[in-house]
Amino acid sequence: SQTIHQWPATLVQPVGSPLSLECTVEGTSNPNLYWYRQAAGRGLQLLFYSVGIGQISSEVPQNLSASRPQDRQFILSSKKLLLSDSGFYLCAWSVRTAGGQPQHFGDGTRLSIL
Amino acid sequence: GENVEQHPSTLSVQEGDSAVIKCTYSDSASNYFPWYKQELGKRPQLIIDIRSNVGEKKDQRIAVTLNKTAKHFSLHITETQPEDSAVYFCAASGRFSGGYNKLIFGAGTRLAVHP
Repeated sequence: SQTIHQWPATLVQPVGSPLSLECTVEGTSNPNLYWYRQAAGRGLQLLFYSVGIGQISSEVPQNLSASRPQDRQFILSSKKLLLSDSGFYLCAWSVRTAGGQPQHFGDGTRLSIL
Repeated sequence: GENVEQHPSTLSVQEGDSAVIKCTYSDSASNYFPWYKQELGKRPQLIIDIRSNVGEKKDQRIAVTLNKTAKHFSLHITETQPEDSAVYFCAASGRFSGGYNKLIFGAGTRLAVHP
């Protein structure tokens, strides 16, 4: 069966520090991968999606970047964190086929910026 | 642009009552409609989904209905229990500019089931 792993589970970082969050998927090949951010009590904001190695698309302009160095690895990064980067970051994957497909979420990383 | 509206934003019911959450989508090409449940501090989890060739789907106490003509779909929870308390998100399938599939999420409904 397919599984998705995210780490770390929680992170407290000072303003201006760098960030690296990692997500890996097991049990499937060629998945679509997604990064979402969720502010406290709010909905899901899509940040990035990827349909293959090295292929990254950004949905919103921001202080963050994403990379996909391997088929089942997705990394979210920042060179200098802002207070507004605080939130719950969720990685998700879906099967890459025609037609709508469910997205399956990781357990998330709760990021607090001080 | 593509949009999914979800109502109500909050819903409070007594244990044993039914709960209904409604969503409206804008893209007539949407063909897949999942529902996610997110408990406090946890990840969203898929609880039921429906495709556009089906009008209704049931799984024990939960059911989803779809009206393609009106572009409405709804989640129905019967015999609610305190453990049903969570935030529920609807979504509709859409397309990125490169033609790849995506999900457009509603803003969420916070359901509280009181004993």
